[in-house]
Amino acid sequence: ETGVTQTPRHLVMGMTNKKSLKCEQHLGHNAMYWYKQSAKKPLELMFVYSLEERVENNSVPSRFSPECPNSSHLFLHLHTLQPEDSALYLCASSQDWNQPQHFGDGTRLSIL
Amino acid sequence: QKEVEQNSGPLSVPEGAIASLNCTYSDRGSQSFFWYRQYSGKSPELIMFIYSNGDKEDGRFTAQLNKASQYVSLLIRDSQPSDSATYLCAVNINTDKLIFGTGTRLQVFP
Repeated sequence: ETGVTQTPRHLVMGMTNKKSLKCEQHLGHNAMYWYKQSAKKPLELMFVYSLEERVENNSVPSRFSPECPNSSHLFLHLHTLQPEDSALYLCASSQDWNQPQHFGDGTRLSIL
Repeated sequence: QKEVEQNSGPLSVPEGAIASLNCTYSDRGSQSFFWYRQYSGKSPELIMFIYSNGDKEDGRFTAQLNKASQYVSLLIRDSQPSDSATYLCAVNINTDKLIFGTGTRLQVFP
């Protein structure tokens, strides 16, 4: 139990579907992150939110749309994804930018 | 040059030996350094973090940081088969941005 909960754990969707990934942290942290992990590649930072304000958008395609309604919740809205978007999507949180990040269990996403 | 570099391995060590995992980074201004362990199919789990030059010990794990040479290492003493995993080095390059290496796969054999 890391204090960061992601749902769903697995998601299979077609390229024309719209779905959302959810992340909730129970650690009282101020920053939340979305990462993408593909096979044979390092973890790729997608988005960073600090105190509910987006501070980093790492050149992510617009078919990924983040939302941070409060400091405990983070969403990643997905629409018209491509097969190369199949990956493990990880949410993390930290107290501050230079503090350790704690990861959720991830959502395994498969695009048909 | 990659921002954070690790040897992908696998690094094979016998049970009870010391495993030494190394990581180099490109940004001299980096201030925070982290080691994560990731089992196959699981999410990364924080093992150690270090901010200052020198050694930091926690149980069987020791993190070593040398900012002048721009490397950080992780030593695992008395390695166990349960330590077999991929170890990710992560470095804060600038505000809010944590850059991960590709990871080193460690295999501890009985």
